[in-house]
Amino acid sequence: GAVVSQHPSWVICKSGTSVKIECRSLDFQATTMFWYRQFPKQSLMLMATSNEGSKATYEQGVEKDKFLINHASLTLSTLTVTSAHPEDSSFYICSARGDREQFFGPGTRLTVL
Amino acid sequence: AQSVTQLGSHVSVSEGALVLLRCNYSSSVPPYLFWYVQYPNQGLQLLLKYTTGATLVKGINGFEAEFKKSETSFHLTKPSAHMSDAAEYFCAVGASGNQGGKLIFGQGTELSVKP
Repeated sequence: GAVVSQHPSWVICKSGTSVKIECRSLDFQATTMFWYRQFPKQSLMLMATSNEGSKATYEQGVEKDKFLINHASLTLSTLTVTSAHPEDSSFYICSARGDREQFFGPGTRLTVL
Repeated sequence: AQSVTQLGSHVSVSEGALVLLRCNYSSSVPPYLFWYVQYPNQGLQLLLKYTTGATLVKGINGFEAEFKKSETSFHLTKPSAHMSDAAEYFCAVGASGNQGGKLIFGQGTELSVKP
């Protein structure tokens, strides 16, 4: 199956700093990628839909100025958590849209101190 | 609007026993239905999906699920549990005609397998 990578796999940062997470589709082109966040023992919540060459579509309640999404190429989408705070600590998972299904990345564990 | 409800946040079975994980959905359009498995600190792996056609869907690792429109259900089963099946399982619904599109996930069911 198709492979999606995320970098970094985990990151620890100080409160107030910004963190960038990359999502790459390694062997296929993805015009659409999705970003999810998952709190411990909870489900995946869709944050936004990232479309190559256009603005991301954010789900209700997600702050677009805090979670900046850029989809500059058909194989790369980035999520930047700006001015991170401890409540932003979570597991962030991306997926890339294929013809018949989404392919998920391995996730990025963000811890904000 | 679409939604998914997974009955039981935690299911425990003995090795070799039947696995049954329940999923009910709500959708105003014909749904696409998915089951994913997640191991600790990893992403999601697709187990199986229903789009159209045969209502009994077979997936990887011996899992299968049956789409029952009248019951709005898509329960996941496996005849004989293996220790390696212990993981978190998510049911998800997507909009028909959009197989790679937006998914709504259930709350997840943690499966434990006892030796």
